[in-house]
Amino acid sequence: QKEVEQNSGPLSVPEGAIASLNCTYSDRGSQSFFWYRQYSGKSPELIMSIYSNGDKEDGRFTAQLNKASQYVSLLIRDSQPSDSATYLCAVNMGNSGGYQKVTFGTGTKLQVIP
Amino acid sequence: EPEVTQTPSHQVTQMGQEVILRCVPISNHLYFYWYRQILGQKVEFLVSFYNNEISEKSEIFDDQFSVERPDGSNFTLKIRSTKLEDSAMYFCASRSAEKLFFGSGTQLSVL
Repeated sequence: QKEVEQNSGPLSVPEGAIASLNCTYSDRGSQSFFWYRQYSGKSPELIMSIYSNGDKEDGRFTAQLNKASQYVSLLIRDSQPSDSATYLCAVNMGNSGGYQKVTFGTGTKLQVIP
Repeated sequence: EPEVTQTPSHQVTQMGQEVILRCVPISNHLYFYWYRQILGQKVEFLVSFYNNEISEKSEIFDDQFSVERPDGSNFTLKIRSTKLEDSAMYFCASRSAEKLFFGSGTQLSVL
Protein backbone atom coordinates (compact mmCIF):
# COMPACT_ATOMS: atom_id res chain seq x y z
CA GLN A 1 0.00 0.00 0.00
CA LYS A 2 1.50 3.29 -1.08
CA GLU A 3 1.26 5.75 1.77
CA VAL A 4 1.97 9.30 2.79
CA GLU A 5 2.69 9.77 6.49
CA GLN A 6 2.38 12.90 8.59
CA ASN A 7 2.28 13.65 12.28
CA SER A 8 -1.30 14.68 13.02
CA GLY A 9 -0.26 17.24 15.63
CA PRO A 10 -1.42 19.67 16.77
CA LEU A 11 1.77 21.61 16.27
CA SER A 12 1.63 24.80 18.29
CA VAL A 13 3.98 27.69 17.54
CA PRO A 14 3.98 31.30 18.76
CA GLU A 15 3.17 34.06 16.32
CA GLY A 16 6.30 35.10 14.39
CA ALA A 17 8.05 31.77 14.83
CA ILE A 18 8.96 29.21 12.17
CA ALA A 19 6.60 26.27 11.80
CA SER A 20 8.16 23.07 10.46
CA LEU A 21 5.90 20.40 8.99
CA ASN A 22 7.17 17.01 7.89
CA CYS A 23 6.02 14.21 5.61
CA THR A 24 7.37 10.86 4.46
CA TYR A 25 6.16 8.77 1.54
CA SER A 26 6.52 5.13 0.65
CA ASP A 27 6.66 5.10 -3.16
CA ARG A 28 10.28 5.65 -4.16
CA GLY A 29 9.22 6.33 -7.74
CA SER A 30 7.14 9.39 -6.83
CA GLN A 31 8.10 12.50 -8.72
CA SER A 32 5.71 15.27 -7.68
CA PHE A 33 5.01 16.57 -4.20
CA PHE A 34 2.54 19.11 -2.94
CA TRP A 35 1.50 20.94 0.19
CA TYR A 36 -2.13 21.88 0.62
CA ARG A 37 -3.73 23.95 3.33
CA GLN A 38 -7.18 23.02 4.59
CA TYR A 39 -9.16 25.22 6.92
CA SER A 40 -11.79 23.48 9.01
CA GLY A 41 -14.83 22.62 6.90
CA LYS A 42 -13.22 23.87 3.69
CA SER A 43 -11.59 22.27 0.67
CA PRO A 44 -7.84 21.79 0.25
CA GLU A 45 -5.96 24.72 -1.29
CA LEU A 46 -2.60 24.25 -3.00
CA ILE A 47 0.18 26.34 -1.49
CA MET A 48 3.39 24.71 -2.77
CA SER A 49 4.61 22.16 -5.26
CA ILE A 50 8.11 20.71 -5.53
CA TYR A 51 9.65 18.23 -7.96
CA SER A 52 13.44 18.36 -7.45
CA ASN A 53 15.65 17.68 -4.48
CA GLY A 54 16.43 20.78 -2.46
CA ASP A 55 14.51 23.83 -1.39
CA LYS A 56 11.82 25.86 -3.10
CA GLU A 57 10.77 29.19 -1.64
CA ASP A 58 7.57 31.13 -2.18
CA GLY A 59 7.06 34.08 0.11
CA ARG A 60 6.96 32.88 3.71
CA PHE A 61 6.79 29.24 2.59
CA THR A 62 9.73 26.94 1.83
CA ALA A 63 9.26 23.37 0.64
CA GLN A 64 12.13 20.93 1.02
CA LEU A 65 12.48 17.61 -0.78
CA ASN A 66 14.88 14.73 -0.19
CA LYS A 67 14.02 11.85 -2.51
CA ALA A 68 16.76 9.59 -1.13
CA SER A 69 15.17 9.82 2.31
CA GLN A 70 11.63 9.96 0.87
CA TYR A 71 11.01 13.07 2.90
CA VAL A 72 9.22 16.34 2.21
CA SER A 73 8.89 19.28 4.54
CA LEU A 74 7.26 22.67 4.67
CA LEU A 75 8.62 25.62 6.59
CA ILE A 76 6.42 28.60 7.36
CA ARG A 77 8.36 31.66 8.43
CA ASP A 78 6.89 34.46 10.51
CA SER A 79 3.85 32.34 11.34
CA GLN A 80 0.57 34.21 11.64
CA PRO A 81 -2.65 33.23 13.41
CA SER A 82 -4.25 33.05 9.95
CA ASP A 83 -1.85 30.19 9.13
CA SER A 84 -3.69 28.04 11.68
CA ALA A 85 -5.07 25.18 9.57
CA THR A 86 -4.39 21.59 8.67
CA TYR A 87 -1.51 21.15 6.24
CA LEU A 88 -1.80 18.21 3.88
CA CYS A 89 1.17 16.60 2.21
CA ALA A 90 0.27 15.08 -1.16
CA VAL A 91 2.28 12.89 -3.51
CA ASN A 92 1.63 11.90 -7.08
CA MET A 93 1.49 8.12 -7.13
CA GLY A 94 0.01 7.57 -10.57
CA ASN A 95 0.48 4.10 -11.93
CA SER A 96 1.70 5.26 -15.31
CA GLY A 97 3.36 8.56 -14.59
CA GLY A 98 1.58 11.81 -15.08
CA TYR A 99 -0.68 13.00 -12.34
CA GLN A 100 -3.52 10.55 -12.37
CA LYS A 101 -3.57 9.83 -8.66
CA VAL A 102 -2.50 12.21 -5.94
CA THR A 103 -2.39 10.59 -2.51
CA PHE A 104 -2.83 12.71 0.60
CA GLY A 105 -1.45 12.30 4.09
CA THR A 106 -3.66 12.66 7.12
CA GLY A 107 -2.48 16.23 7.62
CA THR A 108 -0.79 18.12 10.43
CA LYS A 109 -2.89 20.58 12.38
CA LEU A 110 -0.99 23.81 12.97
CA GLN A 111 -1.98 26.25 15.69
CA VAL A 112 -0.29 29.66 15.72
CA ILE A 113 -0.65 31.24 19.14
CA PRO A 114 -0.94 35.07 19.16
CA GLU B 1 -10.88 33.71 -10.97
CA PRO B 2 -12.21 30.43 -12.41
CA GLU B 3 -13.29 27.87 -9.86
CA VAL B 4 -14.65 24.36 -9.57
CA THR B 5 -18.33 24.45 -8.65
CA GLN B 6 -20.10 21.66 -6.78
CA THR B 7 -23.79 21.14 -6.11
CA PRO B 8 -25.49 20.57 -3.82
CA SER B 9 -23.44 21.76 -0.85
CA HIS B 10 -25.34 19.37 1.42
CA GLN B 11 -27.20 16.17 0.55
CA VAL B 12 -29.16 14.05 2.98
CA THR B 13 -30.37 10.66 1.82
CA GLN B 14 -31.73 7.41 3.16
CA MET B 15 -29.60 4.28 3.13
CA GLY B 16 -30.10 2.37 -0.11
CA GLN B 17 -31.04 5.42 -2.15
CA GLU B 18 -29.16 6.65 -5.19
CA VAL B 19 -27.44 10.02 -5.13
CA ILE B 20 -25.80 12.07 -7.83
CA LEU B 21 -23.22 14.67 -6.91
CA ARG B 22 -22.55 17.33 -9.50
CA CYS B 23 -19.47 19.28 -10.42
CA VAL B 24 -18.56 21.87 -13.01
CA PRO B 25 -14.78 21.77 -13.48
CA ILE B 26 -12.75 24.75 -14.63
CA SER B 27 -13.54 25.14 -18.32
CA ASN B 28 -10.15 24.55 -19.96
CA HIS B 29 -9.10 21.69 -17.67
CA LEU B 30 -9.00 18.18 -19.09
CA TYR B 31 -8.47 15.97 -16.05
CA PHE B 32 -11.13 15.54 -13.40
CA TYR B 33 -11.18 13.85 -10.03
CA TRP B 34 -13.38 12.84 -7.15
CA TYR B 35 -12.03 12.65 -3.62
CA ARG B 36 -13.82 12.08 -0.36
CA GLN B 37 -13.05 12.97 3.24
CA ILE B 38 -14.77 11.26 6.13
CA LEU B 39 -15.01 13.57 9.14
CA GLY B 40 -11.66 13.75 10.92
CA GLN B 41 -9.91 11.55 8.37
CA LYS B 42 -7.71 12.09 5.37
CA VAL B 43 -8.65 13.14 1.87
CA GLU B 44 -9.03 9.89 -0.08
CA PHE B 45 -8.69 9.46 -3.83
CA LEU B 46 -11.70 7.89 -5.54
CA VAL B 47 -11.28 8.25 -9.28
CA SER B 48 -9.60 10.21 -12.05
CA PHE B 49 -11.20 10.86 -15.44
CA TYR B 50 -9.72 11.93 -18.74
CA ASN B 51 -10.93 11.90 -22.31
CA ASN B 52 -14.34 10.57 -21.28
CA GLU B 53 -13.03 7.55 -19.46
CA ILE B 54 -11.73 6.54 -16.06
CA SER B 55 -7.94 6.69 -15.98
CA GLU B 56 -7.46 5.40 -12.46
CA LYS B 57 -9.65 4.38 -9.52
CA SER B 58 -9.12 3.35 -5.93
CA GLU B 59 -10.36 0.29 -4.03
CA ILE B 60 -13.11 2.48 -2.58
CA PHE B 61 -14.55 3.08 -6.06
CA ASP B 62 -16.46 -0.18 -6.37
CA ASP B 63 -19.45 -1.14 -8.51
CA GLN B 64 -21.71 1.15 -6.49
CA PHE B 65 -19.89 4.18 -7.83
CA SER B 66 -19.86 5.60 -11.33
CA VAL B 67 -18.77 8.82 -12.97
CA GLU B 68 -19.97 10.55 -16.06
CA ARG B 69 -19.40 13.65 -18.09
CA PRO B 70 -22.84 13.96 -19.69
CA ASP B 71 -22.12 17.20 -21.53
CA GLY B 72 -19.29 19.63 -22.07
CA SER B 73 -19.39 21.12 -18.61
CA ASN B 74 -20.75 18.77 -15.94
CA PHE B 75 -18.92 15.93 -14.20
CA THR B 76 -21.01 13.71 -11.94
CA LEU B 77 -20.46 11.07 -9.30
CA LYS B 78 -23.27 8.59 -8.79
CA ILE B 79 -23.63 6.28 -5.80
CA ARG B 80 -26.22 3.68 -6.67
CA SER B 81 -27.21 2.33 -3.27
CA THR B 82 -25.85 4.46 -0.46
CA LYS B 83 -24.50 2.97 2.75
CA LEU B 84 -24.04 4.62 6.13
CA GLU B 85 -20.28 4.56 5.59
CA ASP B 86 -20.64 6.67 2.44
CA SER B 87 -21.32 9.67 4.67
CA ALA B 88 -18.47 12.07 3.94
CA MET B 89 -17.49 15.28 2.24
CA TYR B 90 -17.03 14.66 -1.47
CA PHE B 91 -14.65 16.92 -3.33
CA CYS B 92 -14.45 17.33 -7.07
CA ALA B 93 -11.19 18.60 -8.53
CA SER B 94 -9.84 19.50 -11.91
CA ARG B 95 -6.23 19.75 -12.95
CA SER B 96 -4.11 22.31 -14.73
CA ALA B 97 -0.55 21.14 -15.36
CA GLU B 98 0.28 19.42 -12.09
CA LYS B 99 -2.04 21.40 -9.84
CA LEU B 100 -5.37 20.22 -8.49
CA PHE B 101 -8.10 22.78 -7.93
CA PHE B 102 -10.81 21.63 -5.56
CA GLY B 103 -14.44 22.56 -5.37
CA SER B 104 -16.00 23.50 -2.04
CA GLY B 105 -17.42 20.00 -1.62
CA THR B 106 -20.73 18.24 -1.10
CA GLN B 107 -21.43 17.02 2.41
CA LEU B 108 -23.28 13.71 2.02
CA SER B 109 -25.17 12.38 5.01
CA VAL B 110 -26.64 8.88 4.75
CA LEU B 111 -29.28 8.12 7.38
